Amino acid sequence: GQQLNQSPQSMFIQEGEDVSMNCTSSSIFNTWLWYKQEPGEGPVLLIALYKAGELTSNGRLTAQFGITRKDSFLNISASIPSDVGIYFCAGQQGGGNKLVFGAGTILRVKS
Amino acid sequence: DTAVSQTPKYLVTQMGNDKSIKCEQNLGHDTMYWYKQDSKKFLKIMFSYNNKELIINETVPNRFSPKSPDKAHLNLHINSLELGDSAVYFCASSTREKVLGETQYFGPGTRLLVL
Repeated sequence: GQQLNQSPQSMFIQEGEDVSMNCTSSSIFNTWLWYKQEPGEGPVLLIALYKAGELTSNGRLTAQFGITRKDSFLNISASIPSDVGIYFCAGQQGGGNKLVFGAGTILRVKS
Repeated sequence: DTAVSQTPKYLVTQMGNDKSIKCEQNLGHDTMYWYKQDSKKFLKIMFSYNNKELIINETVPNRFSPKSPDKAHLNLHINSLELGDSAVYFCASSTREKVLGETQYFGPGTRLLVL
């Protein structure tokens, strides 16, 4: 089936540092979504991307939909302790509403 | 004012039992989903219903039977529970926007432990 390769698998960074994670696929996707999951909670939508090349920000978060439609990245600037969690990318291909998820990036922040 | 809610939050049961998980959304969405998250946190879709009609059924054992009494509810019944069914089950809902694509919103999850 379709797969999204998400990297890095985990990050342990100093508070204040910028963070970058990405997702790649061998298939084209029409929608890219980025979610954050905190312990004991469900994934919460951070950013949705619908057009190739689109760059969207949500506070300190910025995400881009790759031009080839096969990749997306998420940047977090000036990380803070509450950024801790698992970040998932998810892609949707045309026709139908099935989302394929990456394996997640575990983010830990040292204060 | 919860958007997508699930009950119960925790479910501990013996192997072989039958159990149900309930999901409700008050977002007015027309599509609902069940996902399974395993111990490695990998999220995989199980089912999707649009306006009470099953549209996605991902090679899930037929011990799992979803039921959608109306657009706002999607329940999951599991027969003859097995150890491998232990996982977190998430409900989600979405609506298709004309210009943009689907955006899915998740519930808080049901943590199922089969002993």
